[in-house]
Amino acid sequence: EVQLVESGGGLVQPGGSPRLSCAASGFTVSGNYVSWVRQAPGKGLEWVSVIYSGDSTFYADSVKGRFTISRDNSRNTIYLQMNSLRPEDTAVYYCARGMTHGFDVWGQGTMVTVSS
Amino acid sequence: QTVVTQEPSFSVSPGGTVTLTCALSSRSVSTSDFPSWYQQTPGRPPRTLIYSTSSRSSGVPARFSGSILGNKAALTITGAQPDDESDYYCALFVGTGLYVFGPGTKVTVL
Repeated sequence: EVQLVESGGGLVQPGGSPRLSCAASGFTVSGNYVSWVRQAPGKGLEWVSVIYSGDSTFYADSVKGRFTISRDNSRNTIYLQMNSLRPEDTAVYYCARGMTHGFDVWGQGTMVTVSS
Repeated sequence: QTVVTQEPSFSVSPGGTVTLTCALSSRSVSTSDFPSWYQQTPGRPPRTLIYSTSSRSSGVPARFSGSILGNKAALTITGAQPDDESDYYCALFVGTGLYVFGPGTKVTVL
């Protein structure tokens, strides 16, 4: 079964630097592209970042320079390093496998709350 | 900045048909934007309905269909069911490695 499981969320102080993980099963992250998508409480979906199988990475303007997406093929896991967090980064963070420039499989999400 | 627009809300009767649209502020949506559609109920992750304009994701009922209508991407629900009451989001591939979601449409079935 193809599955994605996120972890690493929690309460973080402004300026904090948590790292989110997205563990994949049923497929290899090395041969696919994976995105992070977030959803602030009561708001819509916002694409955050993508890593392609060729290691190219791209970011939304709202997180460029603060977030870094990476991949560990040996662990079949995608990471999102988040730096200089702001209250507006508070959201549920989902990882999603890419397919034909869309997203097909989604994880359950991990909540990140930025507050002092 | 790329801005995507969707209708804020729609109401449809059980068994009825509703078409949701997804538009770009700056130009027409085309198949080259690879429009995709997602269904979400509160507290749950999104569920993929349609990718690459009109391809249904695995397990998605045939009453959901995607297309380009005029200058917009469209999602049509034919024969709406009570379980279809959800938020619906479109997404577009707007450039090298860049994606954008619409603000979502809340569909009520009553």
